[in-house]
Amino acid sequence: EAQVTQNPRYLITVTGKKLTVTCSQNMNHEYMSWYRQDPGLGLRQIYYSMNVEVTDKGDVPEGYKVSRKEKRNFPLILESPSPNQTSLYFCASSLFLGHESYEQYFGPGTRLTVT
Amino acid sequence: SQQGEEDPQALSIQEGENATMNCSYKTSINNLQWYRQNSGRGLVHLILIRSNEREKHSGRLRVTLDTSKKSSSLLITASRAADTASYFCAVTPKAAGNKLTFGGGTRVLVKP
Repeated sequence: EAQVTQNPRYLITVTGKKLTVTCSQNMNHEYMSWYRQDPGLGLRQIYYSMNVEVTDKGDVPEGYKVSRKEKRNFPLILESPSPNQTSLYFCASSLFLGHESYEQYFGPGTRLTVT
Repeated sequence: SQQGEEDPQALSIQEGENATMNCSYKTSINNLQWYRQNSGRGLVHLILIRSNEREKHSGRLRVTLDTSKKSSSLLITASRAADTASYFCAVTPKAAGNKLTFGGGTRVLVKP
């Protein structure tokens, strides 16, 4: 089954404790992206990757890091989480062939609370 | 700022009625997509309409795109309780690769 998986699904942590949210897709997609969803603000892109070893900032990258060492994985790293990073996080993937854009497949979400 | 802005923010209808929601955006786009999100869950892709298309259908869904007005509409016909969800439009601005910019969404409640 084609899918995007995220782990963990729920996480409560404390300020400053480094954490990683994993994302994996089994569709051989070139493009992967991380979003955060906050009430009243919709979904905002954090980082994206157009292929292995190619990553770039989205609209709200501050406080986050990513890496893309393998095509299927795109982990999101919070080196020193703060309460304003409490949010619902989604990973997504899609084909990417030059100028065209395609539907994105979303993971189930990770609800993060930073106290 | 958000590229896509949905209207209305919330919609309540009876089962069997049609639901229409609109999306406006600000710049030239490659395509516009509609997604559905059930409460707190991942988004599910519904329809992608390219800038050179004016209308697209998928089952009970009909999407229109008017690039001169920078607007799109999503029509759900003969709604069902299972259509209760939030609906988001997302645009891919020209020269933005695969980047999607989402609107704030329309919450739809279909009452049985």
